[in-house]
Amino acid sequence: DGGITQSPKYLFRKEGQNVTLSCEQNLNHDAMYWYRQDPGQGLRLIYYSQIVNDFQKGDIAEGYSVSREKKESFPLTVTSAQKNPTAFYLCASSPGTDYFQPQHFGDGTRLSIL
Amino acid sequence: LAKTTQPISMDSYEGQEVNITCSHNNIATNDYITWYQQFPSQGPRFIIQGYKTKVTNEVASLFIPADRKSSTLSLPRVSLSDTAVYYCLVNLNAGNMLTFGGGTRLMVKP
Repeated sequence: DGGITQSPKYLFRKEGQNVTLSCEQNLNHDAMYWYRQDPGQGLRLIYYSQIVNDFQKGDIAEGYSVSREKKESFPLTVTSAQKNPTAFYLCASSPGTDYFQPQHFGDGTRLSIL
Repeated sequence: LAKTTQPISMDSYEGQEVNITCSHNNIATNDYITWYQQFPSQGPRFIIQGYKTKVTNEVASLFIPADRKSSTLSLPRVSLSDTAVYYCLVNLNAGNMLTFGGGTRLMVKP
């Protein structure tokens, strides 16, 4: 079945550490996105990529970094500069960035600080 | 940027029809209206999308009046498994960037 796989489901980080969240899709989608969700809140866009080797900052990119070396993969690194990283992280993809194309989401990674 | 306003929460009973209304007074000419459903600890799932009048699929209906300043998601005969958060989004003109508000928490009771 085609879909988006995020791993791990739960992740713990010590203060001062960088951690990388994985996102893989086999939908052959060009565009991929990373969102952050805090408890009881909606999603906020961190980064998005419209095509391989290109990505753009979203609303809350500070303290995060991404890469898009392959079409199917869009890993997110939460750096030590992100002072409040505890959140639920969601990856999504869409065929393109035309605004009538729904995004497909993975089931998220929950990151906690030890 | 178009913003949306929807009720924070709603309660219903199994078998009833649920209507969730979303206001988007500043919607732009090219904006589509999209609804997502999210269960706890899962990613949002696309439900329905429309531009004007009425759209229906196997899950829901979406009603959009002529002025497009609001929309109503209609869920027929809800069940306990429809308990979730429902998000109304208006797509930004600049591509497919979604802006999620707080959503509506629907609780379906037996």
